[in-house]
Amino acid sequence: DAGVIQSPRHEVTEMGQEVTLRCKPISGHDYLFWYRQTMMRGLELLIYFNNNVPIDDSGMPEDRFSAKMPNASFSTLKIQPSEPRDSAVYFCASSSSGGYHEQYFGPGTRLTVT
Amino acid sequence: SQKIEQNSEALNIQEGKTATLTCNYTNYSPAYLQWYRQDPGRGPVFLLLIRENEKEKRKERLKVTFDTTLKQSLFHITASQPADSATYLCALTSGTYKYIFGTGTRLKVLA
Repeated sequence: DAGVIQSPRHEVTEMGQEVTLRCKPISGHDYLFWYRQTMMRGLELLIYFNNNVPIDDSGMPEDRFSAKMPNASFSTLKIQPSEPRDSAVYFCASSSSGGYHEQYFGPGTRLTVT
Repeated sequence: SQKIEQNSEALNIQEGKTATLTCNYTNYSPAYLQWYRQDPGRGPVFLLLIRENEKEKRKERLKVTFDTTLKQSLFHITASQPADSATYLCALTSGTYKYIFGTGTRLKVLA
């Protein structure tokens, strides 16, 4: 398996622009997670899905953030409008309910908002 | 509020020695605790999971302990190697898939 795939790997955008991050989970995994990692706050869970349904979005910082999972093999995290404080590395991870809760992380998207 | 603390300072040890990393938590009753390894520019990689009713778990050179009375987990790497140099993260959950991560401890194994 190719593992969790994220795109783009790097994104540089100007404040106010819309940003869309994409994730393809490992085939067969029924949980999908979006995290944000910064030096100051570490790794924070933004939202997670089970069988394409959002289960907990309490970590989504503001209404500017939204996430969707239209099918089992694709998810997006959108920021609109983006702000400089959104600059971070965003990770997608997936997990299987048949396992031991281990999460498989993608390589991350480094977002810079200028 | 719930808090997870890991040594923010880097840990430097000599090759061959045992590295011990600490994860302390407050205002939390975790059912599961995990340890991940993260290399620069990469996503975390799962290492071990330990349940609240387990005192110790081992995997090759890795050992994790979980003391719910002290609210602490210790992560040991025996016979450490330079390739073990990385940041190690602990993560806790009360039983769901919603994990809270610590900020990690950077380990450097000196040759």
